[in-house]
Amino acid sequence: GAVVSQHPSRVICKSGTSVKIECRSLDFQATTMFWYRQFPKQSLMLMATSNEGSKATYEQGVEKDKFLINHASLTLSTLTVTSAHPEDSSFYICSALLPRGTGSNNEQFFGPGTRLTVL
Amino acid sequence: KQEVTQIPAALSVPEGENLVLNCSFTDSAIYNLQWFRQDPGKGLTSLLLIQSSQREQTSGRLNASLDKSSGRSTLYIAASQPGDSATYLCAVHLNTGFQKLVFGTGTRLLVSP
Repeated sequence: GAVVSQHPSRVICKSGTSVKIECRSLDFQATTMFWYRQFPKQSLMLMATSNEGSKATYEQGVEKDKFLINHASLTLSTLTVTSAHPEDSSFYICSALLPRGTGSNNEQFFGPGTRLTVL
Repeated sequence: KQEVTQIPAALSVPEGENLVLNCSFTDSAIYNLQWFRQDPGKGLTSLLLIQSSQREQTSGRLNASLDKSSGRSTLYIAASQPGDSATYLCAVHLNTGFQKLVFGTGTRLLVSP
């Protein structure tokens, strides 16, 4: 159980276009999901916390108008990179938090990641 | 601000060796600590999660310890195999409402046959 999927796994786009990445919890409901960014040979950096039915909470230095997050249902959060530029090229990973009371120890379950390349 | 550091940054060992990866964190007020494995270009695989009240967890050839007071955790890998080659990340769960994770810098492990 506790499987998280991401779509697409890889996307190449032209500079100036917008790209949407989906994160789904397949076998559980997640009121909270997280979006991370990873540059080559670096660790994961938390971008924002996505809460179902409310606005996302962004980390310091992350532009919320640039990275739009929508958590419209208990199993889906989306990250839209608006007007993408080459410097937005990165590996984006989402995670979903098992609800409290499920014996999860507040463990996050991670998706397989999305490789974004902006030309 | 919580900072997580891993030493060494890279490690290359021959198959069969036992090895230790180190993780240190600056703020001992953590909820959990978790070790992950990441293969190149892939997502994260959770290896072990240690609750703040625990001192260690074991899974197969892996053993992780936690010393909250000194801000340290170690991941011990016994009888290493080429399939263990990957990047190992430790992450601490902050004691905040949403249990944010702060990741370490990672250790790239190469086990040669």
